[in-house]
Amino acid sequence: QQQVRQSPQSLTVWEGETAILNCSYEDSTFNYFPWYQQFPGEGPALLISISSVSDKKEDGRFTIFFNKREKKLSLHITDSQPGDSATYFCAASARDAGAKLTFGGGTRLTVRP
Amino acid sequence: AQTIHQWPVAEIKAVGSPLSLGCTIKGKSSPNLYWYWQATGGTLQQLFYSITVGQVESVVQLNLSASRPKDDQFILSTEKLLLSHSGFYLCAWSPGESSYEQYFGPGTRLTVL
Repeated sequence: QQQVRQSPQSLTVWEGETAILNCSYEDSTFNYFPWYQQFPGEGPALLISISSVSDKKEDGRFTIFFNKREKKLSLHITDSQPGDSATYFCAASARDAGAKLTFGGGTRLTVRP
Repeated sequence: AQTIHQWPVAEIKAVGSPLSLGCTIKGKSSPNLYWYWQATGGTLQQLFYSITVGQVESVVQLNLSASRPKDDQFILSTEKLLLSHSGFYLCAWSPGESSYEQYFGPGTRLTVL
């Protein structure tokens, strides 16, 4: 049972465009949602995160939009650069779930110059 | 600044042989520590977590075990490797007072033949 789902599995955009990566979840107790960026052969790096009390979180070119009612999030990457080409993982955690972090299947983003 | 180191960088092992992977975190006292497994092209699966020396919680049973012999060290091991153990093993840490933000190490690539 996949509790965190991501779409699309892969996405290609041109340099300068906005990439939109989607994430949905099932467990209503999830209240913290980090996004990770992973390059091939490396460990994931924490990119940006949001808690369920907010509906938007912005950090430079990266913005998370959160819809608690629909249990959906999206990561928007504006002015996409070839260096943004990586796999992006949405994850979720519940306050009372101890240390458990549940990851989605990931979206592989390719930015063409 | 905190640094996380994993060893070895890569391993090629035979089915049925033992395994020991290590992780060290420097610059942070009493961190929460985690082990993850990632299949090639796949998502991250949390295996173990530890909030203090000598205490380890199992999240998923994969014929692996973990120990925390020191505050800054986390060990993943098994006495008999299976083909299914191949993959990318990642150690992560979080500050402890908040388990939500997890930071990953560079990983160990394991190939079981």
